[in-house]
Amino acid sequence: GQSLEQPSEVTAVEGAIVQINCTYQTSGFYGLSWYQQHDGGAPTFLSYNGLDGLEETGRFSSFLSRSDSYGYLLLQELQMKDSASYFCAARDDKIIFGKGTRLHILP
Amino acid sequence: GAGVSQTPSNKVTEKGKYVELRCDPISGHTALYWYRQSLGQGPEFLIYFQGTGAADDSGLPNDRFFAVRPEGSVSTLKIQRTERGDSAVYLCASSYRGSAGELFFGEGSRLTVL
Repeated sequence: GQSLEQPSEVTAVEGAIVQINCTYQTSGFYGLSWYQQHDGGAPTFLSYNGLDGLEETGRFSSFLSRSDSYGYLLLQELQMKDSASYFCAARDDKIIFGKGTRLHILP
Repeated sequence: GAGVSQTPSNKVTEKGKYVELRCDPISGHTALYWYRQSLGQGPEFLIYFQGTGAADDSGLPNDRFFAVRPEGSVSTLKIQRTERGDSAVYLCASSYRGSAGELFFGEGSRLTVL
């Protein structure tokens, strides 16, 4: 089957750095995406890794290791507005989402 | 419109009724996805279209669920004989040809089956 595993919750302090891990098991694999979803809102795209390595987009970075079936999202200089749920999503022909990581940020 | 549009935003129905949910994707987007999301869970894949045809419908939970996209743009998700367990937010997303992992989501249709 196809599955993605990520921690259900993570807590960090405003201004700090946090890493959200994701491991995946899929029959085919083209790449890993990350999405952010605030309560009551729609998921919004953050980043995509099609190749191994680090992709940086402002305060957010994402990493992929195909050999380990593993990726992570790194959020730097955390702000209160980053409090949300974060989903990794694996693409073979279709796109499958993990169950999400709820990020709590403390002042 | 500029984004993915879903109607209705909220639908309350009774057990056993038939429901249609509509998705109008971003103009020119060839791929269209339907997901179902329950509280505290990730989007659960239902079906996706490339153009008019269903490329993968392996996520539809049973034969009460059906989706169409007759002209390759607007899509309708149809649920027959609704059950209380069908209550969820139904999300539609679209993407353009050549897009790697980026989906553009609508705000969802919240379905409540009483």
